[in-house]
Amino acid sequence: QITLKESGPTLVKPTQTLTLTCTLSGFSISTIGEAVGWIRQPPGKALEWLALIYWDDDKRFSPSLKTRLTITKDASKTQVVLTLTNVDPVDTATYHCAHAGNSKDWAFDYWGQGTLVTVSS
Amino acid sequence: QAVLTQPSSLSASPGASASLTCTLHSGINVATYRMYWYQQKPGSPPQFLLRYKSETDKQQGSGVPSRFSGSKDASANAGILLISGLQSEDEADYYCMVWHNSAVMFGGGTKLTVL
Repeated sequence: QITLKESGPTLVKPTQTLTLTCTLSGFSISTIGEAVGWIRQPPGKALEWLALIYWDDDKRFSPSLKTRLTITKDASKTQVVLTLTNVDPVDTATYHCAHAGNSKDWAFDYWGQGTLVTVSS
Repeated sequence: QAVLTQPSSLSASPGASASLTCTLHSGINVATYRMYWYQQKPGSPPQFLLRYKSETDKQQGSGVPSRFSGSKDASANAGILLISGLQSEDEADYYCMVWHNSAVMFGGGTKLTVL
């Protein structure tokens, strides 16, 4: 059974760097055809895709946030880490990580519950 | 102009059918895209419903009832999520998604009210 769980700070100050961890269970990010993505959702607003990392360490980023995002994987720790630099109150959102695989043509078929991050001084 | 545009809200009656549309930017042709659909209920993460490109290239999410189906309207350059036999539990937000230029794009979401 595939599960994902996000962890990280609940409150971050403007201009700081946000680091979020997604802990994986039920699959390995090192297995061919697997990927993990990050998607966020400001309160009451729509989903916004941020980044995705593939099993082979290939990466994709949202064009609008590319310069502020980093995504890495640690297969031995079964974790994927997202960093967002120079945060602003508009970055306040629930951040989800999600599994994607080529068996479903890269649909996000399993999601973590999400973690709410507030950016405020 | 956003890549994907969804109506913000839609209402339908129990037992009826609802067609949720996702219109692509005029510069991109819906025929060439796989469109993914997600359902999100309050306080929960999105759930993958299905993906649809054509009748020969489609896939249902695990455990998703067959009353959820996908299609396209080429004349409108839009993908469609059709929900038949509406139930009160179908009241939720629905998002479309595509892969465009190696990036994921979500629509703004449609809030479906069943009343």
